[in-house]
Amino acid sequence: NAGVTQTPKFQVLKTGQSMTLQCAQDMNHEYMSWYRQDPGMGLRLIHYSVGAGITDQGEVPNGYNVSRSTTEDFPLRLLSAAPSQTSVYFCASSGGGRMGEQYFGPGTRLTVT
Amino acid sequence: GIQVEQSPPDLILQEGANSTLRCNFSDSVNNLQWFHQNPWGQLINLFYIPSGTKQNGRLSATTVATERYSLLYISSSQTTDSGVYFCAVEAGYKLSFGAGTTVTVRA
Repeated sequence: NAGVTQTPKFQVLKTGQSMTLQCAQDMNHEYMSWYRQDPGMGLRLIHYSVGAGITDQGEVPNGYNVSRSTTEDFPLRLLSAAPSQTSVYFCASSGGGRMGEQYFGPGTRLTVT
Repeated sequence: GIQVEQSPPDLILQEGANSTLRCNFSDSVNNLQWFHQNPWGQLINLFYIPSGTKQNGRLSATTVATERYSLLYISSSQTTDSGVYFCAVEAGYKLSFGAGTTVTVRA
């Protein structure tokens, strides 16, 4: 199993550009989520999904969109990038019925200039 | 949302020393997890521990859900234990993280 994979590893955007961060898992997990990590603040939940076709907002959803058309994939879209979205983004998944042990991807480091 | 506080914020240990990290949370939760973020940024799940005590090698964790805290014990620390330790609690399918404890183990 590859586990949770994320692409790209690094990305530089200009203010106003849009892009999609990719996340995929091969563990047949129902629950997937996106977090951002900023220095000294831990991780904050952006959006999550409890299964294909179901998504919901987390703590900091503004400026981000998600969709879940398959169990395996959970892309995160930045609609119009802003410098405040400079961060490291992590995708995670968990299985085992209700929310179980979380498995994290390697992260995407995004810089918006 | 649920507030999660971790202490201490920073910890410097000599190799071989023992330590205790604490996580306090403000409300009832469905589960609690401990993570280690290594110096390369990878997040690894250490414990899924909504209540009780678990052990994994030199690490152990105890959660007292009724008193809203959890403790992570590191025994006989090694330089590979360095990194940031996060506590996260789940309520309503949302995971809330503390700010972490940065552990530096010196040889």
